[in-house]
Amino acid sequence: DADVTQTPRNRITKTGKRIMLECSQTKGHDRMYWYRQDPGLGLRLIYYSFDVKDINKGEISDGYSVSRQAQAKFSLSLESAIPNQTALYFCATSDGRNSGNTIYFGEGSWLTVV
Amino acid sequence: ELKVEQNPLFLSMQEGKNYTIYCNYSTTSDRLYWYRQDPGKSLESLFVLLSNGAVKQEGRLMASLDTKARLSTLHITAAVHDLSATYFCAVDTYQGGKLIFGQGTELSVKP
Repeated sequence: DADVTQTPRNRITKTGKRIMLECSQTKGHDRMYWYRQDPGLGLRLIYYSFDVKDINKGEISDGYSVSRQAQAKFSLSLESAIPNQTALYFCATSDGRNSGNTIYFGEGSWLTVV
Repeated sequence: ELKVEQNPLFLSMQEGKNYTIYCNYSTTSDRLYWYRQDPGKSLESLFVLLSNGAVKQEGRLMASLDTKARLSTLHITAAVHDLSATYFCAVDTYQGGKLIFGQGTELSVKP
């Protein structure tokens, strides 16, 4: 089983609908992140959380919200989806206790907004 | 605003040849990551470079970091088809995950 699990892996939704992407990790890491990937733009940080009570905006947080339900769970919500939120979304984790540690990415969630 | 720029963005190589991918970034950072991504897949960590002058090698790939020049390189030696993928560099702005990514370099290795 993957250390960082994202659900759903694929979703098509309509404009204006609310959708949630969920992420869970078994690595015991305290830090979790949501990134978005668009062709030709690399990945961009949406939100990040360094512990359960800590939530921070990234580069492109407008139109998104997050919830850190537990150390192992971090969900991303699109309150009212729009077509330009069509992208590949990645959850990631890292161990904040060790500087320089690898950041681990989930398998990605393809979201299409029609 | 931190910017990370890779070049080239597309690279078509013949097997057996050598080449270098460059990653320039615009502000001070001493932590740089290289990732590989296959089409439709997740990102696989290749290297984490933590200090000026750091050099790491794994198989046919070698990465280096020059923090004074704000430059990292990913050198490919004697390319093989299995190295075909997109390679990203990313700079850590806050010690631990606030990564700013380059655009990616799409590498195609042909026989």
